[in-house]
Amino acid sequence: DQQVKQNSPSLSVQEGRISILNCDYTNSMFDYFLWYKKYPAEGPTFLISISSIKDKNEDGRFTVFLNKSAKHLSLHIVPSQPGDSAVYFCAASYQGAQKLVFGQGTRLTINP
Amino acid sequence: DTGVSQNPRHKITKRGQNVTFRCDPISEHNRLYWYRQTLGQGPEFLTYFQNEAQLEKSRLLSDRFSAERPKGSFSTLEIQRTEQGDSAMYLCASSLLGSRSGNTIYFGEGSWLTVV
Repeated sequence: DQQVKQNSPSLSVQEGRISILNCDYTNSMFDYFLWYKKYPAEGPTFLISISSIKDKNEDGRFTVFLNKSAKHLSLHIVPSQPGDSAVYFCAASYQGAQKLVFGQGTRLTINP
Repeated sequence: DTGVSQNPRHKITKRGQNVTFRCDPISEHNRLYWYRQTLGQGPEFLTYFQNEAQLEKSRLLSDRFSAERPKGSFSTLEIQRTEQGDSAMYLCASSLLGSRSGNTIYFGEGSWLTVV
């Protein structure tokens, strides 16, 4: 039962353009969502999060959008830089649950 | 560096041997988590501690796996009688209950296990 899904295994974007990574979830109890970035052979690094009381959160080049009715969130990176090439995971949790549920990840490649 | 620290970073072991991983969380964090990640998948929750109490264990954590956090600081994850299916990256993470970002967990660099 995959409660958090990232349906695109990979994405290729040109440097300077916008990268949009998508994530869908099925559990309506989720109320906190996060994005992590992972380089090979390293642990995931926290990027940005959003609470279900908001529909947008921005931090520098990173913006996360939440559409609760569609159970969908997305991460926008603009402008994309070569150092953004990594695997991106979305994750979700809910009040009272102490663990995060992760999607399968999307490998982002930024081309020069 | 005050991040989550894990060691060893890499471990190759023969099937049937026991292995132990250690995790030192961010110093003021009272919650500690263990996750496992295999190729092409996201991290999967194994167990978590609040201070020294182990409060939840995933069904993924078979009886060959045991985790401890004896003094509410560092934690160990031991795998007994390793099997090839145990080959994965074992990730430790920590968070601070009661902080504004209490639901945000911070990961260490992971410990790679290869069972041959």
